[in-house]
Amino acid sequence: GQNIDQPTEMTATEGAIVQINCTYQTSGFNGLFWYQQHAGEAPTFLSYNVLDGLEEKGRFSSFLSRSKGYSYLLLKELQMKDSASYLCAVRAGGSYIPTFGRGTSLIVHP
Amino acid sequence: DVKVTQSSRYLVKRTGEKVFLECVQDMDHENMFWYRQDPGLGLRLIYFSYDVKMKEKGDIPEGYSVSREKKERFSLILESASTNQTSMYLCASRLSTGAANNKEQFFGPGTRLTVL
Repeated sequence: GQNIDQPTEMTATEGAIVQINCTYQTSGFNGLFWYQQHAGEAPTFLSYNVLDGLEEKGRFSSFLSRSKGYSYLLLKELQMKDSASYLCAVRAGGSYIPTFGRGTSLIVHP
Repeated sequence: DVKVTQSSRYLVKRTGEKVFLECVQDMDHENMFWYRQDPGLGLRLIYFSYDVKMKEKGDIPEGYSVSREKKERFSLILESASTNQTSMYLCASRLSTGAANNKEQFFGPGTRLTVL
């Protein structure tokens, strides 16, 4: 099985930068996804990492270190609308089905 | 844009009833999934389907069955609903499966099922 850990909840201030971490223990890693889910809505895809390094996409960036079993999602210039849950999902062990972590609830306050 | 729709946003059923949750996607995706989402537990995979008439058990299939008779439609069936099946049910679809496939999943809006 896979063990995926994310903080349960984080708070940050509008305009600031926040880093949401995800650590995983698995064998045969073959990709990590980040999704955003606003309350009462469907999760939507943010990023996918399979190689080490940083992938930047506008205000959001995602980093992966396969040797450390570690990823983070970096959100810059936070806006109130960024208040949501952020889900880390890992694909591994020859399966093409990602396993989801429990999600991190981010609260952005003025 | 991919659109995944679910038959109901809210559903209330009684213990022992047979419940059907329907999911339809409009982009000719091969793969479809059913998850349930509970506070503190995250998204857990119930069943998935690689293609029409194919189905595989996920992590928590007990008490559920599925049907995929047409490519665009994936149904989740609770043969005899129980109170511990009260949850948010999310359907998702994905283009296909492959070793180099990084295709994301597209999720429906969810069905919040309450079993009394």
